[in-house]
Amino acid sequence: KAGVTQTPRYLIKTRGQQVTLSCSPISGHRSVSWYQQTPGQGLQFLFEYFSETQRNKGNFPGRFSGRQFSNSRSEMNVSTLELGDSALYLCASSSDRGGWGTDTQYFGPGTRLTVL
Amino acid sequence: AQSVTQPDIHITVSEGASLELRCNYSYGATPYLFWYVQSPGQGLQLLLKYFSGDTLVQGIKGFEAEFKRSQSSFNLRKPSVHWSDAAEYFCAVGAREGGSQGNLIFGKGTKLSVKP
Repeated sequence: KAGVTQTPRYLIKTRGQQVTLSCSPISGHRSVSWYQQTPGQGLQFLFEYFSETQRNKGNFPGRFSGRQFSNSRSEMNVSTLELGDSALYLCASSSDRGGWGTDTQYFGPGTRLTVL
Repeated sequence: AQSVTQPDIHITVSEGASLELRCNYSYGATPYLFWYVQSPGQGLQLLLKYFSGDTLVQGIKGFEAEFKRSQSSFNLRKPSVHWSDAAEYFCAVGAREGGSQGNLIFGKGTKLSVKP
């Protein structure tokens, strides 16, 4: 099976712009989670989608949003970019057969976002 | 609130020496526990996981971890380190209740350097 794929791998944006990142989960996986990784804060949970519904959300401002499509692919969007949004954004998928997000999460390679 | 502590920010070991990376968690019930490894510029690769049952779990690349409920620990071990093990290691905990779907709480990571 192909792994989790994320596009693009690298992005450079300027403050005030918006950005959309894409994630394709492992075939058959219906749960997609997003994380932000920075040197200062480490890995922080953004949100999780399952069957096109957001089931859980981390403590991030409303500028961070996401969605999931019927084929389980997911996108996250960041509007009005700030310098502090520079980070590695990781997507993870799981089959979530247990129904409580209990299955193992498999991570993609990430998208490196740089905000200038 | 759930939390994960990895007390060692950076560890250096000699190639061929044994390794133990520490992880302590805070959670009211038995959590789901994971160890991931991240090479520079890459995503996270799952090393091993504990859901229930045998408290000593085997993972990939010769790693193992032991769940100790009394100590709230899930330490990662390897009997003989290889130069290719140099990377950053993350311990993570997942909750078992609804409303926590897809949300892994990560420790800050331990960076492993391997001396020839």
